[in-house]
Amino acid sequence: DGGITQSPKYLFRKEGQNVTLSCEQNLNHDAMYWYRQDPGQGLRLIYYSQIVNDFQKGDIAEGYSVSREKKESFPLTVTSAQKNPTAFYLCASSIRPGTSGDTQYFGPGTRLTVL
Amino acid sequence: GDSVTQMEGPVTLSEEAFLTINCTYTATGYPSLFWYVQYPGEGLQLLLKATKADDKGSNKGFEATYRKETTSFHLEKGSVQVSDSAVYFCALSVDNTDKLIFGTGTRLQVFP
Repeated sequence: DGGITQSPKYLFRKEGQNVTLSCEQNLNHDAMYWYRQDPGQGLRLIYYSQIVNDFQKGDIAEGYSVSREKKESFPLTVTSAQKNPTAFYLCASSIRPGTSGDTQYFGPGTRLTVL
Repeated sequence: GDSVTQMEGPVTLSEEAFLTINCTYTATGYPSLFWYVQYPGEGLQLLLKATKADDKGSNKGFEATYRKETTSFHLEKGSVQVSDSAVYFCALSVDNTDKLIFGTGTRLQVFP
């Protein structure tokens, strides 16, 4: 079955530690995205990538980093510089970057809790 | 800037009741409009979309019409089921961009 997988589903981190969230897709989509979801605030875009080896900052990129070395993979690192990292993180992908109306497909999410 | 405004929830209904969730938008270009649904503990799924004015998106009994004159994309369903209980997000994307701009979501609770 084609789709987007995120791992782990739940992640706990101590303050001051970096942590990497995995996102893999086998849909052969060019574009991939990372969103953060907080209660009552909808989804906010962290980073997105239209093509391998290229990515752009979204609205809330501070304290996060990404890489796109393979088309299928777009890992997100939450660094110790992120002041309030506890949230639900969602990865998405779409076929045609830069096209309004193109559907984004979402993974199941990773819930990160900082202890 | 571009934005989406949704009615606050929760919306609480009895099974078989009529559902409306209001969504209005502000955009400088000609946006495409989307409704996504999120079931507890899961990611988002596309429910329906419309890419130009007067288009109607529909899926699983849900409908929404792109109204440019009122900048709205209200979600409706004639008869809700308990299984429709979820959070519904309205979103827009503007010409030639990758970005989706989301509303804050509306929680729907349907009771038997």
